[in-house]
Amino acid sequence: DGGITQSPKYLFRKEGQNVTLSCEQNLNHDAMYWYRQDPGQGLRLIYYSQIVNDFQKGDIAEGYSVSREKKESFPLTVTSAQKNPTAFYLCASQTGVNSNQPQHFGDGTRLSIL
Amino acid sequence: QKEVEQDPGPLSVPEGAIVSLNCTYSNSAFQYFMWYRQYSRKGPELLMYTYSSGNKEDGRFTAQVDKSSKYISLFIRDSQPSDSATYLCAMSLLRRTQKLVFGQGTRLTINP
Repeated sequence: DGGITQSPKYLFRKEGQNVTLSCEQNLNHDAMYWYRQDPGQGLRLIYYSQIVNDFQKGDIAEGYSVSREKKESFPLTVTSAQKNPTAFYLCASQTGVNSNQPQHFGDGTRLSIL
Repeated sequence: QKEVEQDPGPLSVPEGAIVSLNCTYSNSAFQYFMWYRQYSRKGPELLMYTYSSGNKEDGRFTAQVDKSSKYISLFIRDSQPSDSATYLCAMSLLRRTQKLVFGQGTRLTINP
């Protein structure tokens, strides 16, 4: 089945630790996105990538990093510099930024602080 | 002021009722409008996607866009308990990046 797979479903971070969230898609989509969702708030954009080896900061990029070495994969690292990392993280993909097609989402990773 | 305002609810209605969910926005440059449904501990699922002003219908769901008032709505007819979820409106500009701006979501419960 085509889709977006996020792993792990739940993740715990210790103080001072970096953690990496995985996002893989087999939809052959060019564009991929990372969002953060906090309780009672809408999604906020962290980073996005339009093509392989290229990515741009979103509205809340501080404390996060990404890479896009393969079209299928867009991992997100939550660094120790992110002081409030507890949230639900959502990855999305889209055919292409000029396609006018909507974004489709994975089922998220819930990150908590130990 | 947020770019997109959405009443967070919670909203609780009896089964079979017509549900109206709404968002207002401040940026008149928004051109694409979406409604996503999100079940607990799941990712958002696209329900409706519109470009122009007017109505778009898909089964029990109708999306309405009024660009002059900067107001969008989602109507659910013959609501079912399985419609219980959080509904997120989202919109984007007519430009390359297709960055979405989301409302905060309305939590809806349909009571049997």
